Amino acid sequence: EIVMTQSPATLSLSPGERATLSCRASQSFRSNLAWYQQKPGQAPRLLIYGASTRATGIPARFSGSGSGTEFTLTISSLQSEDFGVYYCQQYNNWPPGTFGQGTRLEIK
Amino acid sequence: QVQLQQSGPGLVRPSQTLSLTCVISGDSVSSYSAAWNWIRQSPSRGLEWLGRTYYISKWYNEYAESVRGRITINPDTSKNQFSLQLNSVTPEDTAVYYCARAPYRNPPFDYWGQGILVTVSS
Repeated sequence: EIVMTQSPATLSLSPGERATLSCRASQSFRSNLAWYQQKPGQAPRLLIYGASTRATGIPARFSGSGSGTEFTLTISSLQSEDFGVYYCQQYNNWPPGTFGQGTRLEIK
Repeated sequence: QVQLQQSGPGLVRPSQTLSLTCVISGDSVSSYSAAWNWIRQSPSRGLEWLGRTYYISKWYNEYAESVRGRITINPDTSKNQFSLQLNSVTPEDTAVYYCARAPYRNPPFDYWGQGILVTVSS
C-alpha cells in the first residue's frame, strides 16, 4: 500500500498570501494524484487531478505540481473562502487508492 | 449537473447491518464510463475507500480488503441508485459514509453525496 504523508499538519496564513501544501508518497508514481478541499460538515470537493489538472470550476489560483514521490498544491493568493482541510489521494495503486491525513488551512 | 443524495439510519446496533442508499440524478448507474463508490471518513482511519460498482456489459463489484466479506454494494437500475450494506458492524465502523462518482471508473471522485454520520452503538 502506498502511504501518503501530508505536511504541514496545519497552515495559518493571511488573505493574499501564497499557500504551499505538500504530499509525499512512500512509492514513486507519475501523476495519478488528486487534491480535495473539505469544509466542516461538507463532503470533499475535487480540486486537482492528474497531479496538475484543475477540475471543472476550480479557480486558477489553485495549481498542482509534482511527480515521483513529491507533490504540491499551491494557492497563489489566498481568499477567505479557501479555509478548510486539504487532502491528497493517490490512485496509481488502485483500488484501493489511499488518502493523506490532511492539511488544515486556517485563514488569519 | 450530477447530484448524489444519500439516505439511511444514523444509528446501528453492534453486530447488525449498516444499510445506506445513494440516489443518482444527472447520470446513470449503468453508465459505461462511471463507477459508483462508497467512501467513509473517521478520525481514526481518515478517508477510506470501501468499494465500487460499475457496468461494462455486466456488473462488476470491487471491495477494499479491510471490509471484504462484510460488504455488499448493489446497483438498482429501476431507481437509478446504488446501495451499501456492511454486516456485523462494530463501533470501529462509526464514520461519516459518502457515496461518490468516479467519472472514468477510476479516481478522481468528482461528485460526492452529502455524507451520513453512522454511529454504531448499543
